[in-house]
Amino acid sequence: DAKTTQPNSMESNEEEPVHLPCNHSTISGTDYIHWYRQLPSQGPEYVIHGLTSNVNNRMASLAIAEDRKSSTLILHRATLRDAAVYYCILNTNAGKSTFGDGTTLTVKP
Amino acid sequence: NAGVTQTPKFQVLKTGQSMTLQCAQDMNHNSMYWYRQDPGMGLRLIYYSASEGTTDKGEVPNGYNVSRLNKREFSLRLESAAPSQTSVYFCASSGRDSRGVKNIQYFGAGTRLSVL
Repeated sequence: DAKTTQPNSMESNEEEPVHLPCNHSTISGTDYIHWYRQLPSQGPEYVIHGLTSNVNNRMASLAIAEDRKSSTLILHRATLRDAAVYYCILNTNAGKSTFGDGTTLTVKP
Repeated sequence: NAGVTQTPKFQVLKTGQSMTLQCAQDMNHNSMYWYRQDPGMGLRLIYYSASEGTTDKGEVPNGYNVSRLNKREFSLRLESAAPSQTSVYFCASSGRDSRGVKNIQYFGAGTRLSVL
């Protein structure tokens, strides 16, 4: 299974942008890049996904490198409620996705 | 809109006891998953079901069995619980979009299991 690599932790100040990186050098042509986040004591929730082009939604933006070997989740203005563990996974049509340990984001007031 | 429902929310077992964790989804999804999450760690896939009647092992299947009872329900059974199975268990489901691409996963709230 294709794996992703993320930093263990990152910090941000409230109301500043946050860029969460993810490396996926073994990505295959049909793998979608998905991001989830997990708030304390909750199950993961979907954030955003993409294949090749950059994507925006109400929660975040996803910037995908031209070679698709890395991507960056962008939170435009971090709030205290954005403090969570963020997971970058490769969504394969084979069905199995490996979550890894994710990046713990701390937001300071 | 219930989404993915897991029962029970909490459970304490003694070593050697058995139990079944229940999961049901009301989104007509084909695929369902069971994950475990140990303290401070990420999610690890236990079993996966691509469709009704099929199951496949994930990263950590030892000590568990699953049943895809129908399209809605996917249960996880611990036949003889061990302290190493103390964890939070999450069930998830996913469908496919109009192009057949596997879609996003929706997660339940989790079952917190302690094995003494």
